[in-house]
Amino acid sequence: GAGVSQSPSNKVTEKGKDVELRCDPISGHTALYWYRQRLGQGLEFLIYFQGNSAPDKSGLPSDRFSAERTGESVSTLTIQRTQQEDSAVYLCASGTRGNQPQHFGDGTRLSIL
Amino acid sequence: DQQVKQNSPSLSVQEGRISILNCDYTNSMFDYFLWYKKYPAEGPTFLISISSIKDKNEDGRFTVFLNKSAKHLSLHIVPSQPGDSAVYFCAAMSRGSQGNLIFGKGTKLSVKP
Repeated sequence: GAGVSQSPSNKVTEKGKDVELRCDPISGHTALYWYRQRLGQGLEFLIYFQGNSAPDKSGLPSDRFSAERTGESVSTLTIQRTQQEDSAVYLCASGTRGNQPQHFGDGTRLSIL
Repeated sequence: DQQVKQNSPSLSVQEGRISILNCDYTNSMFDYFLWYKKYPAEGPTFLISISSIKDKNEDGRFTVFLNKSAKHLSLHIVPSQPGDSAVYFCAAMSRGSQGNLIFGKGTKLSVKP
């Protein structure tokens, strides 16, 4: 597709379960970012990939959060042992070598019961 | 502490009039600024950006002004249209960084016919 694609669009799960969120960036975009938007808040940076490596993981809120990227394409964000405070919209963005502007997917709305 | 602040959660404007959305930042290392527009259940869409070497950038109905000494930027939409109704996010970054954006909490613009 032409844009950034994220799946699933919605995810409801019980507290304590693990979840995996997927991002397909725009073809050829080397930079990939994950952000989180909690209700009523701005977007919060989580992690940045350049190619398959993650030079900046400073935004990951705890060690329950991890992400990987393969083939300089698809990225997955994994949240282990989910907590209610993990409920948010998780947004993925990709960019060219110059990184800006970033192009966003429509996000995954995660709800932890 | 927020590095990017959008102090007005909402703004209502009559169709055809000017919309002015404001944004303040605290980090003097920021040198590149972007505005994104977001509709419900969609990802943010890039609108316009400005580098710190400029004080104005114009693109059609959208103009961004930057006042570095005041650490303030604003987005002007003229004339406003009902389709402009959305949440507008201000974002900032340092060119020397990895490119992760720091976002404000957003301003919800309503343009009334």
